[in-house]
Amino acid sequence: QQKVQQSPESLSVPEGGMASLNCTSSDRNFQYFWWYRQHSGEGPKALMSIFSDGDKKEGRFTAHLNKASLHVSLHIRDSQPSDSALYFCAASAPSGGSNAKLTFGKGTKLSVKS
Amino acid sequence: GALVYQYPRRTICKSGTSMRMECQAVGFQATSVAWYRQSPQKTFELIALSTVNSAIKYEQNFTQEKFPISHPNLSFSSMTVLNAYLEDRGLYLCGARDREGTQYFGPGTRLLVL
Repeated sequence: QQKVQQSPESLSVPEGGMASLNCTSSDRNFQYFWWYRQHSGEGPKALMSIFSDGDKKEGRFTAHLNKASLHVSLHIRDSQPSDSALYFCAASAPSGGSNAKLTFGKGTKLSVKS
Repeated sequence: GALVYQYPRRTICKSGTSMRMECQAVGFQATSVAWYRQSPQKTFELIALSTVNSAIKYEQNFTQEKFPISHPNLSFSSMTVLNAYLEDRGLYLCGARDREGTQYFGPGTRLLVL
């Protein structure tokens, strides 16, 4: 069973719109979460980390974590065509400290139409 | 800023031959290096997690005999794909983790096997 599940598989939003991506973990050990973005032909780039319940905002990006339901979301406000990419959710357990293994979801493909 | 370089970006090898790829973290102290393979379907497979001065931990389905890794210092790691065959094709990503736990990825080495 996939321990980190992402939805939707693909998403299309108009330029200027709001994109909402979801991620759920089936492993209660996962307490730390990251969002990564990967443009075609490039490696994944770390967008945000979130370790505590609630919202974390960085510019147009807002992550929300609910540890009780093991659900984390990413909201992109005022979406731009350059935001079109694959978005991955990654999670790790606290055990092993900063070197704990990262587990990735299968990704959400975001398309922003101008 | 934190950067991870990988070399080569792309390589083609004959079936049954071997190839070596390199990874360098610049601008931060990497506490660990993880090697992944990203499939054409974009899913991540963790190959191994390497911490300097500790044993390299390989994931199930990946062995040191097939994917030997060298991690001589905090900023440099290399991995060899020995006896490469068609199923070894993919994008090999190196992720270097900083002290806060965020993993920074290089652009990857794309391996094609003929």
